[in-house]
Amino acid sequence: AQSVTQLGSHVSVSEGALVLLRCNYSSSVPPYLFWYVQYPNQGLQLLLKYTSAATLVKGINGFEAEFKKSETSFHLTKPSAHMSDAAEYFCAVSGGGFKTIFGAGTRLFVKA
Amino acid sequence: DAGITQSPRHKVTETGTPVTLRCHQTENHRYMYWYRQDPGHGLRLIHYSYGVKDTDKGEVSDGYSVSRSKTEDFLLTLESATSSQTSVYFCAISESLTTADTQYFGPGTRLTVL
Repeated sequence: AQSVTQLGSHVSVSEGALVLLRCNYSSSVPPYLFWYVQYPNQGLQLLLKYTSAATLVKGINGFEAEFKKSETSFHLTKPSAHMSDAAEYFCAVSGGGFKTIFGAGTRLFVKA
Repeated sequence: DAGITQSPRHKVTETGTPVTLRCHQTENHRYMYWYRQDPGHGLRLIHYSYGVKDTDKGEVSDGYSVSRSKTEDFLLTLESATSSQTSVYFCAISESLTTADTQYFGPGTRLTVL
């Protein structure tokens, strides 16, 4: 069985500051991990995904995430936040059969 | 952007009425999904389809049914809507069944049941 925990339902950063969104997963099989972003009144779109090829995964818009098996984590980072990064971010895990399990989401606020 | 549309985009209905939401894709992807999004719960799978006329239940399927008569269309029906089904509903598609495959999402339907 798989599960995902996103730490912090809301994160607020200043423009130009580091963005760190935390995700921990549980999986009984080697997982595939995803980060999706949702802008207001839109569907989710893929930021990046881990499929075991490399532990540091680079995505769109300057985001990256590192898979750490020992910590069962897949945290999302961006060195410098932009106002346009304000959105809700979802971590997801897939590891068996058909199902992708989504976390509860973290809303990112960016202050000018 | 993947060609996925959902209709209607917004709907207000009354308890006990039937409601059908439509998802239409132009990507010819085999796999289609219906999710609901609620605060604090992320997205939860309602039903999915792995081909025309082939569907199965997700984790929150009670009170919902689906149909897929064509590759491009996946319908979600609430036979008798309840207030607990007030939610935002998303359709998604994927090209393959592999667990590494990306899902592409539609814009969502906001349903309010009074």
